[in-house]
Amino acid sequence: KAGVTQTPRYLIKTRGQQVTLSCSPISGHRSVSWYQQTPGQGLQFLFEYFSETQRNKGNFPGRFSGRQFSNSRSEMNVSTLELGDSALYLCASSLNRGPTYEQYFGPGTRLTVT
Amino acid sequence: GEDVEQSLFLSVREGDSSVINCTYTDSSSTYLYWYKQEPGAGLQLLTYIFSNMDMKQDQRLTVLLNKKDKHLSLRIADTQTGDSAIYFCAEGTSGTYKYIFGTGTRLKVLA
Repeated sequence: KAGVTQTPRYLIKTRGQQVTLSCSPISGHRSVSWYQQTPGQGLQFLFEYFSETQRNKGNFPGRFSGRQFSNSRSEMNVSTLELGDSALYLCASSLNRGPTYEQYFGPGTRLTVT
Repeated sequence: GEDVEQSLFLSVREGDSSVINCTYTDSSSTYLYWYKQEPGAGLQLLTYIFSNMDMKQDQRLTVLLNKKDKHLSLRIADTQTGDSAIYFCAEGTSGTYKYIFGTGTRLKVLA
């Protein structure tokens, strides 16, 4: 089975621009979560989607948004980019079946904002 | 609180055992996880333990959980150079995929 795939792998944007990142979950997985990883803040939860609905949200400003499609693929969008948004953005997918709730991560998208 | 703490660095010799520690604070955590991150890569799930268990063994990996002290550890037996990576513990609450990750421990294995 193919793992979680994320595109693009690397991205360079300018302050003020917006960006869209894509995530394709493992086949059969219906839950997709997004995390931001930075040297200063570590790994922080952004949001989680299941059946095209956002189920959980972390403490990020409204500039960060996401969506999920009927095939479980997900996108996240960051508008009005700031220098501090430079990070590795990780997507994780899950079967959405307890009891263990383990997540499987993709390789990430490295976003650099200049 | 939602703080999960780990020591930053650990250095061991090849063939020795490594023990990576983690302290969490959310008593409602149901499952605790260990992930490995190699340079330029995403997170690889290594193992997990249910909060009502004390120990779980999976090949070279042993997870110990002291729920009273909210202390979790990962022991890697016969550590190899390929084990050099950053290790993260994470806590999750039943019914959600919102993990709280630790700060990460960078393990360096010396040949």
